[in-house]
Amino acid sequence: DQQVKQNSPSLSVQEGRISILNCDYTNSMFDYFLWYKKYPAEGPTFLISISSIKDKNEDGRFTVFLNKSAKHLSLHIVPSQPGDSAVYFCAASHLSSNTGKLIFGQGTTLQVKP
Amino acid sequence: DAGVIQSPRHEVTEMGQEVTLRCKPISGHNSLFWYRQTMMRGLELLIYFNNNVPIDDSGMPEDRFSAKMPNASFSTLKIQPSEPRDSAVYFCASSGEGLPNEKLFFGSGTQLSVL
Repeated sequence: DQQVKQNSPSLSVQEGRISILNCDYTNSMFDYFLWYKKYPAEGPTFLISISSIKDKNEDGRFTVFLNKSAKHLSLHIVPSQPGDSAVYFCAASHLSSNTGKLIFGQGTTLQVKP
Repeated sequence: DAGVIQSPRHEVTEMGQEVTLRCKPISGHNSLFWYRQTMMRGLELLIYFNNNVPIDDSGMPEDRFSAKMPNASFSTLKIQPSEPRDSAVYFCASSGEGLPNEKLFFGSGTQLSVL
């Protein structure tokens, strides 16, 4: 059972435009959500996170939105740059358990065209 | 810091052979995770350790998989015997004390091909 789902395997956007990556989860116990970015032949790197007590967190060009009632989060990249081309993984955790255990989605490959 | 170090980067083996993947976590980190990446399932958590003790191995697919962490600076993931369906990229990650533990630092992965 896939508790974290990224239903779009790929996304292509033009440089300078907005990229929106989506993620859905099923487990209502999840209270901490993260996005990781992965370049080819490298490991994933942490990008941005959000706690369930918030509905938005912003870091430069990256903003994560959380809709708890819909069990949905999204990552917005504005403006998109060619260097943003990578695989983006959504992840969720039960922070209160303090285990560090992350459940990841399948990933979405973003291509930003110059 | 050198980050999480995994070896080998690539491993090609034949079905039935034993495979051992190695990981050195970031010094001072007390949690270590093994993940497997496949196209269908994305990143799957196989097992994780806290202070060298296995906490949750529910993600280990079969008895053919085993993992050890003999000390704070080294961990192995072993597959014996290996099968073609084990072909994937295996990542090791570590995290440090304090909240959130969820900010994991990943190694570059081991690309495993079982022929």
